[in-house]
Amino acid sequence: QKEVEQDPGPLSVPEGAIVSLNCTYSNSAFQYFMWYRQYSRKGPELLMYTYSSGNKEDGRFTAQVDKSSKYISLFIRDSQPSDSATYLCAMSAGLTGGGNKLTFGTGTQLKVEL
Amino acid sequence: NAGVMQNPRHLVRRRGQEARLRCSPMKGHSHVYWYRQLPEEGLKFMVYLQKENIIDESGMPKERFSAEFPKEGPSILRIQQVVRGDSAAYFCASSPPEGISGNTIYFGEGSWLTVV
Repeated sequence: QKEVEQDPGPLSVPEGAIVSLNCTYSNSAFQYFMWYRQYSRKGPELLMYTYSSGNKEDGRFTAQVDKSSKYISLFIRDSQPSDSATYLCAMSAGLTGGGNKLTFGTGTQLKVEL
Repeated sequence: NAGVMQNPRHLVRRRGQEARLRCSPMKGHSHVYWYRQLPEEGLKFMVYLQKENIIDESGMPKERFSAEFPKEGPSILRIQQVVRGDSAAYFCASSPPEGISGNTIYFGEGSWLTVV
């Protein structure tokens, strides 16, 4: 079993829809949770960063972390064609020396159609 | 405000040659990480370095791969005697010193290695 599970999709939605992306994990030591967006042949771009459980909102994006269920979500409101990309969840338990070793999901491919 | 800079962006090597990938972290960042992304797979951690120190290399293959982050200059990921299975995208990332900005990690645009 992988430490982080993420449905690869592809997920296709109409423009304006609310998108829900999810990851589950098995390592209870994880305490930092991130969502990255990756366009084809580009580097991952940080979208959301949360520490421990709770919700965080930034514009059209909302990240939720439920540590008791080992489940994290990213919601995208009013989705746009420019949101079409692969979304990667990542998490970390932190590292000695202050570093952050991330464990990634395999990514969910999202397509927002006109 | 330059981000994480990686070069070359694309590299083609014949089997048995050496590949050197370079990474300059964001200004003010003291932690550097290397990740590998194989086709249809997620990013896999390889190594975490601070200046002149390898902190965690638990994701590095035991042979042919090495990394350094010297006192001066960029971090280097070196792959000796490349094989076709090394073909992948190699991403460098950096984060600020501990306690600043929550150790947020930023990635470069990647170096795509093709072994022919």
